[in-house]
Amino acid sequence: TQLLEQSPQFLSIQEGENLTVYCNSSSVFSSLQWYRQEPGEGPVLLVTVVTGGEVKKLKRLTFQFGDARKDSSLHITAAQTGDTGLYLCAGEGTSNTGKLIFGQGTTLQVKP
Amino acid sequence: KAGVTQTPRYLIKTRGQQVTLSCSPISGHRSVSWYQQTPGQGLQFLFEYFSETQRNKGNFPGRFSGRQFSNSRSEMNVSTLELGDSALYLCASSPIHPGSGEQYFGPGTRLTVT
Repeated sequence: TQLLEQSPQFLSIQEGENLTVYCNSSSVFSSLQWYRQEPGEGPVLLVTVVTGGEVKKLKRLTFQFGDARKDSSLHITAAQTGDTGLYLCAGEGTSNTGKLIFGQGTTLQVKP
Repeated sequence: KAGVTQTPRYLIKTRGQQVTLSCSPISGHRSVSWYQQTPGQGLQFLFEYFSETQRNKGNFPGRFSGRQFSNSRSEMNVSTLELGDSALYLCASSPIHPGSGEQYFGPGTRLTVT
């Protein structure tokens, strides 16, 4: 059974601080996605990483896929109150089944 | 392009009843997946359809079923509702199957079972 362990589960920081969210597994994934979800809404896709060692940047957000494609991280620089939300990592197994395995999520609160 | 749409957005049902939820994928997307989201279990995969065929199924009882139509629209049905079925049900569509990994989610249907 493929599992994704996401940490931390909760994060409360001041505006302007940096933070990193981690997503770890003992399984290899063919791709890994990061989503952000607002209360009462569906997850919104932020990025997909496919290649081991890949780094993608989206403004103040930096995403990295581990060399072995078993882990990933999301780093936010100079967090803003608008970054508040639930961040989810999701991996697709190597069998390409169209099924995503989700981490438990990280609830981020950025205080002004 | 219009995003994934789900209807209804909110639903209240009584134990023992059944419910049907609907999902319209992004135009051109042929793969539709369904997920259940609860505070305790997070997002869990229910099933995935492509070209009207169920290609993958999660670990849910047979009360949970689905189908996909020729226009890629999908429905899921839950029979004999239990209190534990209260959740946000999310539908996601994907442009390629086998999956490219990228799935685009609808706003979800909030189901409350009383």
